[in-house]
Amino acid sequence: AIQLTQSPSSLSASVGDRVTITCRASQGISSALAWYQQKPGKAPKLLIYDASSLESGVPSRFSGSGSGTDFTLTISSLQPEDFASYYCQQFNFYPLTFGGGTKIEIK
Amino acid sequence: QEQLVQSGAEVKRPGASVKVSCKASGYTFTSYYIHWMRQAPGQGLEWMGKINPSVGSINYSEKFQGRVTMSRDTSTSTVHMELSSLRSEDTAVYFCARVPQRAAVVFDIWGQGTLVTVSS
Repeated sequence: AIQLTQSPSSLSASVGDRVTITCRASQGISSALAWYQQKPGKAPKLLIYDASSLESGVPSRFSGSGSGTDFTLTISSLQPEDFASYYCQQFNFYPLTFGGGTKIEIK
Repeated sequence: QEQLVQSGAEVKRPGASVKVSCKASGYTFTSYYIHWMRQAPGQGLEWMGKINPSVGSINYSEKFQGRVTMSRDTSTSTVHMELSSLRSEDTAVYFCARVPQRAAVVFDIWGQGTLVTVSS
């Protein structure tokens, strides 16, 4: 199975900060990567698919990039509602797999 | 409003089975695959399998093969996931999620989650 390694596993940031999370795949997955946001006690919410396509209704401060094995999720200016956990997911191979998550906390 | 609504929390003994349901509404049930994931406390997400509600075809993760059964009822727009031979490590929130009509196998609508607790 494809392993997805996210870094960092957690970070502290302030409102207005630019934040970047990385996701590395154990083998090439083309652009078959998605990003989700999850708040405590809630289901994940799709943010980005195909590595860089913004899901409808998601604010433009979220962006994704990368292909092959290395991917990034960037939040250009962190807002109070962005403090949450973020997960990457690959869909190039079955079984579908997710990264271990990155928790963004308030500094 | 397109949504998936799951059944309520369950507490089970080790060795028992649990069946979680996921009812779709607000869209054409047979037009979208449904997948199941789970999330152990404080952990990440784990994919379990998928079902095509139109024809009932199913694919399971090898990890759960032999212990998981997915089914659908088109008359009630509901999919079910049954996990047998439960052990403490199966304690988790179980999610159903819909794949939108595009090439990417990603999940645009999720159920609210069902907590399954396995404890003696």
